[in-house]
Amino acid sequence: DAGVTQSPTHLIKTRGQQVTLRCSPKSGHDTVSWYQQALGQGPQFIFQYYEEEERQRGNFPDRFSGHQFPNYSSELNVNALLLGDSALYLCASSQRGGYYEQYFGPGTRLTVT
Amino acid sequence: GESVGLHLPTLSVQEGDNSIINCAYSNSASDYFIWYKQESGKGPQFIIDIRSNMDKRQGQRVTVLLNKTVKHLSLQIAATQPGDSAVYFCAETPTGANSKLTFGKGITLSVRP
Repeated sequence: DAGVTQSPTHLIKTRGQQVTLRCSPKSGHDTVSWYQQALGQGPQFIFQYYEEEERQRGNFPDRFSGHQFPNYSSELNVNALLLGDSALYLCASSQRGGYYEQYFGPGTRLTVT
Repeated sequence: GESVGLHLPTLSVQEGDNSIINCAYSNSASDYFIWYKQESGKGPQFIIDIRSNMDKRQGQRVTVLLNKTVKHLSLQIAATQPGDSAVYFCAETPTGANSKLTFGKGITLSVRP
């Protein structure tokens, strides 16, 4: 049973560019949450998707957007990249209505130069 | 604002000794508290959780203690092993199902052989 998978593993972008990160949830899970983890910090909640809609959002600007597909996979898009967007982006999946435990993927390391 | 934080940035213990990792939280509305372990290059891995109506919960080699009076959470690891070396995060969520997780900064546990 595959766990949460994310792609790509690493990414280098230039300021002002746009980036798309991808996540496939654990089998049987229908809810996807995205977190940003700066170096030496704990993950910070960006938003959560369920039934292809954004259900909760953290304190992130509109430059951060997402999408969930009918197969429950999800994308995180960041526009107009800033140096401060450099971080590890984590995807976590869970099952709506079930036990709340969120399973995390290995993350995508984004470097903005 | 609401926050979850850890008292110490690093902890070094001798292999075979017990480890105690502490965490303070400030959101009195939190209902679930979770400990995560994050190894280098990986996403956070669930260790153990505790609900706010409990004060102690035991797992395999791990025990979580919750003191709601002083808003303090601790993780005890018995007979610490080299494989326990990682960064540990406490996290909290206000409700059980699919709510966002609020993480602390993290503490590095280093196990000396």
